[in-house]
Amino acid sequence: EPEVTQTPSHQVTQMGQEVILRCVPISNHLYFYWYRQILGQKVEFLVSFYNNEISEKSEIFDDQFSVERPDGSNFTLKIRSTKLEDSAMYFCASRGRGRYNEQFFGPGTRLTVL
Amino acid sequence: SQELEQSPQSLIVQEGKNLTINCTSSKTLYGLYWYKQKYGEGLIFLMMLQKGGEEKSHEKITAKLDEKKQQSSLHITASQPSHAGIYLCGAPNYGGSQGNLIFGKGTKLSVKP
Repeated sequence: EPEVTQTPSHQVTQMGQEVILRCVPISNHLYFYWYRQILGQKVEFLVSFYNNEISEKSEIFDDQFSVERPDGSNFTLKIRSTKLEDSAMYFCASRGRGRYNEQFFGPGTRLTVL
Repeated sequence: SQELEQSPQSLIVQEGKNLTINCTSSKTLYGLYWYKQKYGEGLIFLMMLQKGGEEKSHEKITAKLDEKKQQSSLHITASQPSHAGIYLCGAPNYGGSQGNLIFGKGTKLSVKP
């Protein structure tokens, strides 16, 4: 069964460093998302990506964040200069056509900023 | 902004018992997703409801959507230890156009053998 994959599963970094989180969405999906979940809190939307551009972003997704789909399969989230409060689980998700199609999530990357 | 309220926050049931989890939206629901999450892991898609009155089942889990009440319920029949985890409801953001989801805080389910 197709699934969303994410690497790495766990990333530890020093404050101020850049990190890139990687995702491989389901191959025929068209909409891609990043969410995050701070420990003990709700899953929060960060950004959606469609047709090779950002289609929506939340207030959390400031200038420190960027997304890319560098090739036909990968979807990346870059945090330029990490802060302690960026420590969280980051989830990639994807869905096919139609606004209300099933949205599938990857296993997540746990980011720890020291 | 739209909020999803889940109840109860946590639930402990004896194996074999039935249970229900509720998710209530502060605004009109244009669809409702249910996911299961094990602590520190990813979200596993359970089912999606699109229309008012819709009911879906997967194995021993049934979900319903009541559009008028802006509410969905998830019912587990004859619970098993494998059902333990955190159940999250998610809904397309009321103001969004790309299907990004907002989530409730989750209901933590423990099943005692």
